Amino acid sequence: DIQMTQSPSSLSAFVGDRVTITCQASQDIRSYLNWYQQRPGKAPNLLISGASNLETGVPSRFSGTGSGTFFTLTISSLQPEDSATYFCQQFHSLPPGGAYTFGQGTKLEIK
Amino acid sequence: QVQLQQSGPGLVQPSQTLSLTCAISGDSVSSNSFAWNWIRQSPSRGLEWLGRTYYRSKWYNDYAASVKSRISINPDTSKNQFSLHLKSVTPEDTALYYCARDTRLGYGFQYWGQGTLVTVS
Repeated sequence: DIQMTQSPSSLSAFVGDRVTITCQASQDIRSYLNWYQQRPGKAPNLLISGASNLETGVPSRFSGTGSGTFFTLTISSLQPEDSATYFCQQFHSLPPGGAYTFGQGTKLEIK
Repeated sequence: QVQLQQSGPGLVQPSQTLSLTCAISGDSVSSNSFAWNWIRQSPSRGLEWLGRTYYRSKWYNDYAASVKSRISINPDTSKNQFSLHLKSVTPEDTALYYCARDTRLGYGFQYWGQGTLVTVS
């Protein structure tokens, strides 16, 4: 299976800061990469698909870039409600024969 | 609006079978466009996709290699739901289990159940 590695595992920032989270794939996955936000006690919520496409209703302060093996999620101006854990997920290698795989998560806290 | 409602026990004894059900509203388990998945989350394994069932003129299942020998996911068209059965569980199967419907074209997961914490002890 394709391994997804996120960094950092956690970070803390102030409201208004620009924050960037990275995700690295163990092999070329082109742009087949999603980002999810998971608030405490809730299921993950799909934010960005295909590396850079915002899902309906997602604030424009969120953006995603990257292709191949390196991807980033950026929050341009951090808001209190952005406190959550963020996951990347690849869909280059899918079942049958492959599997959806996720990064280990980045926990974002507001200072 | 699609809603997924999970049910099942929160405690399972080692070597027994873990069984959870996901009831669907706002869509059909027999949809020709979507797949119905089980995903679990634990501190040690993170988010782990376990498997899916879907209908494309006939029923199909795909399972993760890590659980393939122990898992079955079954649709129930009469109740519009699907179930997870994971046999021979160990404490390593302790996790928060989610059911989820995928996105159109199957690239991600758009709708999720509320999650069920299952402890193997």
